[in-house]
Amino acid sequence: KAGVTQTPRYLIKTRGQQVTLSCSPISGHRSVSWYQQTPGQGLQFLFEYFSETQRNKGNFPGRFSGRQFSNSRSEMNVSTLELGDSALYLCASSWRLVTSGSSDEQYFGPGTRLTVT
Amino acid sequence: TQLLEQSPQFLSIQEGENLTVYCNSSSVFSSLQWYRQEPGEGPVLLVTVVTGGEVKKLKRLTFQFGDARKDSSLHITAAQPGDTGLYLCAGATDTDKLIFGTGTRLQVFP
Repeated sequence: KAGVTQTPRYLIKTRGQQVTLSCSPISGHRSVSWYQQTPGQGLQFLFEYFSETQRNKGNFPGRFSGRQFSNSRSEMNVSTLELGDSALYLCASSWRLVTSGSSDEQYFGPGTRLTVT
Repeated sequence: TQLLEQSPQFLSIQEGENLTVYCNSSSVFSSLQWYRQEPGEGPVLLVTVVTGGEVKKLKRLTFQFGDARKDSSLHITAAQPGDTGLYLCAGATDTDKLIFGTGTRLQVFP
């Protein structure tokens, strides 16, 4: 079966712009989590969506937002981009809610590499 | 703030050598996962350990969860170039999101 797909794979934006990233989970998975990965901070949790509702959120400013559609596809939006937002943005899908402590396996997509200039 | 410190940060070894990567925290986790990430890809789950003192083996990889569920180790026997990658541990609490470790970048030379 198809894995997690993310589009676009690469993106270059300038400061102040906004960006929308897309994630299509594995068929049947209802949970989608978003992560930011940078060399300095490592992999940090942004938020998790399950059945179209945000279930948990990490320590990121309100400029970072997301949503999930009825087919479980998810989008992440970053407004008023800053240089520090340059990172690899990963999404991961799972059968159940990951932040419930279920320890279900998450399947990660290849990520979207965002560069802010 | 919950932190998962991994050591060493970088490891460069020859094929055939053994190595151990450590993942330490002051927090207790209900489960702990290990991932490997290769360039241009997302992390791939290697194992999940849930019981204090648990040991799991995956071919040449041995994973151990500390008795107090605050730390874990990954031991690779006879490393191969295909083991090259970024190794990440991730701890789950009962009510919180998954906390990822700082990562260990392993390079195995033929």
